[in-house]
Amino acid sequence: GAVVSQHPSRVICKSGTSVKIECRSLDFQATTMFWYRQFPKQSLMLMATSNEGSKATYEQGVEKDKFLINHASLTLSTLTVTSAHPEDSSFYICSASRGAEAFFGQGTRLTVV
Amino acid sequence: DAKTTQPPSMDCAEGRAANLPCNHSTISGNEYVYWYRQIHSQGPQYIIHGLKNNETNEMASLIITEDRKSSTLILPHATLRDTAVYYCIALNTGANSKLTFGKGITLSVRP
Repeated sequence: GAVVSQHPSRVICKSGTSVKIECRSLDFQATTMFWYRQFPKQSLMLMATSNEGSKATYEQGVEKDKFLINHASLTLSTLTVTSAHPEDSSFYICSASRGAEAFFGQGTRLTVV
Repeated sequence: DAKTTQPPSMDCAEGRAANLPCNHSTISGNEYVYWYRQIHSQGPQYIIHGLKNNETNEMASLIITEDRKSSTLILPHATLRDTAVYYCIALNTGANSKLTFGKGITLSVRP
């Protein structure tokens, strides 16, 4: 089946630095990808919709200047957490849809120290 | 998209069938019922989806009531690896539809 790959799977960074997470669709083209965040013992929260060749659409309450999304090609979207703080520590997950089915990446565990 | 309601948790014995219920009483005619699951610290995994008819694949069966107000996901022979959070989602599958997740149901399969 289709595969969506995320990199890195785990990252630790210092407070104030920026972290980039990549999401790739490996065997299909995705004009739209989605980014989610999940805190411990909570459900996935949709952060934004990444659109190839245009600006991302952010959900209410998500700061677009803090979570920069770039969807430069049909197989790659990146999420950059800028000026990370400990409260940004979370599990970040991307997804891409092919037809009626959504495929999810393995997730990236971000820890800001 | 219509709201779905699931019990917070359930358990079943390994090798037995696990029947996971979901209520979606406000589902509209063009919304599908989707099921995903999330094993701890992994991304969600698609299981099955349906509109009106019952569906079966290699992972599970989906039984949708005639009035479409509720459905049941059936894992016919649960294994320990099926322990996960299962999400029932009502979704209008238009272009670039957004999957939004509720709290799901935590299934614990016991040896």
